[in-house]
Amino acid sequence: GIQVEQSPPDLILQEGANSTLRCNFSDSVNNLQWFHQNPWGQLINLFYIPSGTKQNGRLSATTVATERYSLLYISSSQTTDSGVYFCAVSLGGSNYKLTFGKGTLLTVNP
Amino acid sequence: NAGVTQTPKFQVLKTGQSMTLQCAQDMNHNSMYWYRQDPGMGLRLIYYSASEGTTDKGEVPNGYNVSRLNKREFSLRLESAAPSQTSVYFCASSGKETGGEKTQYFGPGTRLLVL
Repeated sequence: GIQVEQSPPDLILQEGANSTLRCNFSDSVNNLQWFHQNPWGQLINLFYIPSGTKQNGRLSATTVATERYSLLYISSSQTTDSGVYFCAVSLGGSNYKLTFGKGTLLTVNP
Repeated sequence: NAGVTQTPKFQVLKTGQSMTLQCAQDMNHNSMYWYRQDPGMGLRLIYYSASEGTTDKGEVPNGYNVSRLNKREFSLRLESAAPSQTSVYFCASSGKETGGEKTQYFGPGTRLLVL
């Protein structure tokens, strides 16, 4: 099956710093999503981004499908950004079977 | 608009007991999903239902059964619980968007402990 690798596994920042999270995948995909799991366990969809660039406030994401990677940028980080960030992908032909990476644990200190 | 709801929030079972996890969505979505999340493993798909009346196996279906009761509800059943099924279970749903069903929306999760 498709392999999804996220880096770094852990990241500690001071409030106000910027960060870049990376997701590498092993095959062509037709669906790529970024999720944030907050410290209480709730999963929130951040971006649906199989290709191209999107921005939402302080967050933006870029996927280069031909090179099989995606990047999530967090600018001016806040303590509320803490949690685990997951990348999830599915192969062509099915949007349903998402395969998740193991996540990046982000801690933002005040 | 409650989104995706799950019951119960927390459950303790003894090995061999059975239980059903309930999930409902009020977003008129066609597709629903069950995942489990284990430490260090990310989320893994157990079963999904692309539309009312259909269900398909995901990555880790063994030991589970599902029922798509109607468009709103999708239940997950453990017939004979085992300690290896101790996990956090998430239900999700997705609806029609341009180009197909894409964004998945998750419920709050059910924490299951099997002793």
